[in-house]
Amino acid sequence: EDKVVQSPLSLVVHEGDTVTLNCSYEVTNFRSLLWYKQEKKAPTFLFMLTSSGIEKKSGRLSSILDKKELFSILNITATQTGDSAVYLCAVDSGSRLTFGEGTQLTVNP
Amino acid sequence: IAGITQAPTSQILAAGRRMTLRCTQDMRHNAMYWYRQDLGLGLRLIHYSNTAGTTGKGEVPDGYSVSRANTDDFPLTLASAVPSQTSVYFCASSEDRFYSTDTQYFGPGTRLTVL
Repeated sequence: EDKVVQSPLSLVVHEGDTVTLNCSYEVTNFRSLLWYKQEKKAPTFLFMLTSSGIEKKSGRLSSILDKKELFSILNITATQTGDSAVYLCAVDSGSRLTFGEGTQLTVNP
Repeated sequence: IAGITQAPTSQILAAGRRMTLRCTQDMRHNAMYWYRQDLGLGLRLIHYSNTAGTTGKGEVPDGYSVSRANTDDFPLTLASAVPSQTSVYFCASSEDRFYSTDTQYFGPGTRLTVL
């Protein structure tokens, strides 16, 4: 059975801090790993990772994949209150996306 | 319409009643999906459709049915609702299910409470 585990489940930081969110996975047929940000409603797409060691970057957010150790990290530098959200990791195994539980990030002013 | 819309936004339903959650996309995506999101369990796939006229079962299909009569619409039906179906339901779509570079786009969700 495909499995995606995220840690920590929740995190509270102050504005300006840097955070690292973790995602580990076990799937039978890995195609890609995706990160989503979910605020009040629908998850919105952040990154898709398919190759090990290649960092994807968008502003203060970056992510990298390690296919040998089966994990990915999402980094957010200089956090802002608008970064408060649930961050979801999902793995595409070809037949479907398997989601982790998510990490609830709260950034306090 | 821009993207994916879902209706209703929220609904309270008596157990045993039939309910259809609606989902419409205007991106001409081939693939569509229904997920439920529950605290501590993340997002779980209920049913999917690779293209109009085809559907498939996801991780938690029992108690739900879907149809895909055309590209744009993908309704989810609960034939006889039970309290364990209380959840937030998300519809999603992607251009094509079989491309590894594809991305799923999500609707705003329907919050369903079954009493």
